[in-house]
Amino acid sequence: DVKVTQSSRYLVKRTGEKVFLECVQDMDHENMFWYRQDPGLGLRLIYFSYDVKMKEKGDIPEGYSVSREKKERFSLILESASTNQTSMYLCASSIRDRGNTIYFGEGSWLTVV
Amino acid sequence: KQEVTQIPAALSVPEGENLVLNCSFTDSAIYNLQWFRQDPGKGLTSLLLIQSSQREQTSGRLNASLDKSSGRSTLYIAASQPGDSATYLCAVGWAGSYQLTFGKGTKLSVIP
Repeated sequence: DVKVTQSSRYLVKRTGEKVFLECVQDMDHENMFWYRQDPGLGLRLIYFSYDVKMKEKGDIPEGYSVSREKKERFSLILESASTNQTSMYLCASSIRDRGNTIYFGEGSWLTVV
Repeated sequence: KQEVTQIPAALSVPEGENLVLNCSFTDSAIYNLQWFRQDPGKGLTSLLLIQSSQREQTSGRLNASLDKSSGRSTLYIAASQPGDSATYLCAVGWAGSYQLTFGKGTKLSVIP
């Protein structure tokens, strides 16, 4: 059974803190993605990676960075958290061929106070 | 700009009814289209994937169709059940891009 695991389901952080959101997949997928989901705005792509140490900006990369040192792990980093980054963050993965299914984790609810 | 629209935003039906959810997209350079289900506070679960060369896909009580020329996809749910209550999202993959464009979803409520 496919598995995308986001290590933290619920986090509360203070403004200005550095925040790490971790995602691990066990399917040997090349592609990994970070989205955020907000009411009324839907899902928006922050960053994606198509290989180890490779990354591409999505639609809303400002205020975020990512790290992919190993194939199975893709981390989202908020260098200095702000209240407008309060959101649901979703990690996903897929095999390299774009014609295949994308699998999502359960999501991480981040509240910045 | 490539856009994906889902109308209506919310739908309420009595149990047992057959129903259709709609997804429209603005660009015919579609690579594939996926339908997802999202339960409250959870991640997305893939339901069906249709390649651009296909017309439809079926899984159990679900049938998804794709009409590239009109820029539309439908998700048909037969004999709806209360357990089908969730938000349904469609996402389009575009030729030449790794990115998916998501609709904002249709929230379905099936009333017992």
